[in-house]
Amino acid sequence: ETGVTQSPTHLIKTRGQQVTLRCSSQSGHNTVSWYQQALGQGPQFIFQYYREEENGRGNFPPRFSGLQFPNYSSELNVNALELDDSALYLCASSPPSGGRDTQYFGPGTRLTVL
Amino acid sequence: AQSVTQLGSHVSVSEGALVLLRCNYSSSVPPYLFWYVQYPNQGLQLLLKYTTGATLVKGINGFEAEFKKSETSFHLTKPSAHMSDAAEYFCASPYGGATNKLIFGTGTLLAVQP
Repeated sequence: ETGVTQSPTHLIKTRGQQVTLRCSSQSGHNTVSWYQQALGQGPQFIFQYYREEENGRGNFPPRFSGLQFPNYSSELNVNALELDDSALYLCASSPPSGGRDTQYFGPGTRLTVL
Repeated sequence: AQSVTQLGSHVSVSEGALVLLRCNYSSSVPPYLFWYVQYPNQGLQLLLKYTTGATLVKGINGFEAEFKKSETSFHLTKPSAHMSDAAEYFCASPYGGATNKLIFGTGTLLAVQP
């Protein structure tokens, strides 16, 4: 069984650019959540996708957007990058049995904005 | 609003000593609570979770946690620390009632001295 994978592992962008991060959920999981983990902080919930629709959003501006595809993989897009967007971005998937399930995290994408 | 507070951003113990990492939660409803571990440059791994039932929860790698409603606490313990336990530990609680959307504490970095 393949776990959650994310790509790329590291990324360097400059302020104002746009970035796309990718996540493949664990086999059989239809829900994907994205988190931002700034250095020295706990992860913060960005949003969640369930069956290709956004299913909840944290306190992040609209320049953070996402997609989920029919195979349940997902993308996180960030427009107009700011220095404070530098962080580890974590993707987590959950199995199809309602909200009361454990999340399985990927290794993350480290984004550096210069 | 639901939140979790981790007391002590850094904890240092000797190998073989008791590990105690503190987590307090605030919630008006019975919570679901999680402990995750993050090794350097990796994603999050679930250690244990409390949902309902037995208040003493056993997890992986010899860790356990006790849910104490009267103290609104969910502290993580391990009787004897091992060098491989050195990592960052996060307490988490559901966001909006769904256990696959999480609010994390700020984390506790555990150092284990030989």
